[in-house]
Amino acid sequence: DTEVTQTPKHLVMGMTNKKSLKCEQHMGHRAMYWYKQKAKKPPELMFVYSYEKLSINESVPSRFSPECPNSSLLNLHLHALQPEDSALYLCASSQVLQIYTEAFFGQGTRLTVV
Amino acid sequence: GQQVMQIPQYQHVQEGEDFTTYCNSSTTLSNIQWYKQRPGGHPVFLIQLVKSGEVKKQKRLTFQFGEAKKNSSLHITATQTTDVGTYFCAGRRDTGNQFYFGTGTSLTVIP
Repeated sequence: DTEVTQTPKHLVMGMTNKKSLKCEQHMGHRAMYWYKQKAKKPPELMFVYSYEKLSINESVPSRFSPECPNSSLLNLHLHALQPEDSALYLCASSQVLQIYTEAFFGQGTRLTVV
Repeated sequence: GQQVMQIPQYQHVQEGEDFTTYCNSSTTLSNIQWYKQRPGGHPVFLIQLVKSGEVKKQKRLTFQFGEAKKNSSLHITATQTTDVGTYFCAGRRDTGNQFYFGTGTSLTVIP
């Protein structure tokens, strides 16, 4: 199983809503990532988890709150978002600190904030 | 943060022509990865280069990592319509798991 599964695929939320994005992998990867991608732009790193601990936060606003409840799951909790937060949110996973390491990406959640 | 630039930003080629995208980092990288993202899709891993001066081939695709480990290139020979998409390099520093995507090159292949 080389899949990273993200749910939901599409999400429309209001600025006062609270929602969560979910990501799951069963490849035994202990590094998991959240990226944000705007149209026609590269993915931007948001958070990195290593061994279920947050290791990198790329100065992401606190309205985005990541959580890694176990080695297979990664969540991104959303609260009080702004319309400019509308984007494709990508989850990825990889082995931790291996020389040859590829990242596997999920299909993403396309988020629209209204 | 780490700056990884790619040129060109866009490239239109006739089917059968060759294509090259170049990736340049402001800092030395421990390794570099290449991804392809089809329109509406997600990034898909193509290859990883680790050694200085490394060259790898995958059928019509040739990947190079510069001697100084600050630049890389992807060359496609005789493009096909299935090559359409955006090609991203992604650089990884010596420390940490994080990797940063280049600005990407969007390839259009005209039949």
